[in-house]
Amino acid sequence: AQSVTQPDIHITVSEGASLELRCNYSYGATPYLFWYVQSPGQGLQLLLKYFSGDTLVQGIKGFEAEFKRSQSSFNLRKPSVHWSDAAEYFCAVGALSFYGGSQGNLIFGKGTKLSVKP
Amino acid sequence: KAGVTQTPRYLIKTRGQQVTLSCSPISGHRSVSWYQQTPGQGLQFLFEYFSETQRNKGNFPGRFSGRQFSNSRSEMNVSTLELGDSALYLCASSLGGTSGVYNEQFFGPGTRLTVL
Repeated sequence: AQSVTQPDIHITVSEGASLELRCNYSYGATPYLFWYVQSPGQGLQLLLKYFSGDTLVQGIKGFEAEFKRSQSSFNLRKPSVHWSDAAEYFCAVGALSFYGGSQGNLIFGKGTKLSVKP
Repeated sequence: KAGVTQTPRYLIKTRGQQVTLSCSPISGHRSVSWYQQTPGQGLQFLFEYFSETQRNKGNFPGRFSGRQFSNSRSEMNVSTLELGDSALYLCASSLGGTSGVYNEQFFGPGTRLTVL
């Protein structure tokens, strides 16, 4: 069965420091991968997505993620964190139908809460 | 362009009651998906509607149901509420021309349901 694991429940970084949030997926084929961010009281906002092609993808707000098939990972990175980045981050994979095609819904990891120290 | 709106934003019900939540998608979007978010289970897919038809369904009991209207607005209903139904219910809309995650899903702010 497809699944997404985010090993870190909570991470604290200092403002200006670099950030890497980990995501591992379980999937039988080339996955469709996503990172979303959720601020308190808000819905989810798409940061970036990977469908195919270049394994390093750029997203909004200065975020990037790298797809590594050999490690089944899709880690999110940012070179310099801002206080406004404090939020919860979710990695997700596009679900597959029984026949292998994209089913249309997302399977989410449990999320990583990011705190930023001044 | 207005985003996805969900009403009400907060709701308190008691066990055994039923509840209806509403979602208005972005104009022009024809697919609406519903997700349940809880601290223990995280984000879980409930169902997806496209052109008034349920196209996809998650692993939830039959107490959870939904529908979509001709203007793409969607409602979800939970009957015989249980304490465990307390959650943030998120709605997401997309263009949804073909089934799949190729079309970006835009999420609403959610409805916070508390069951007492």
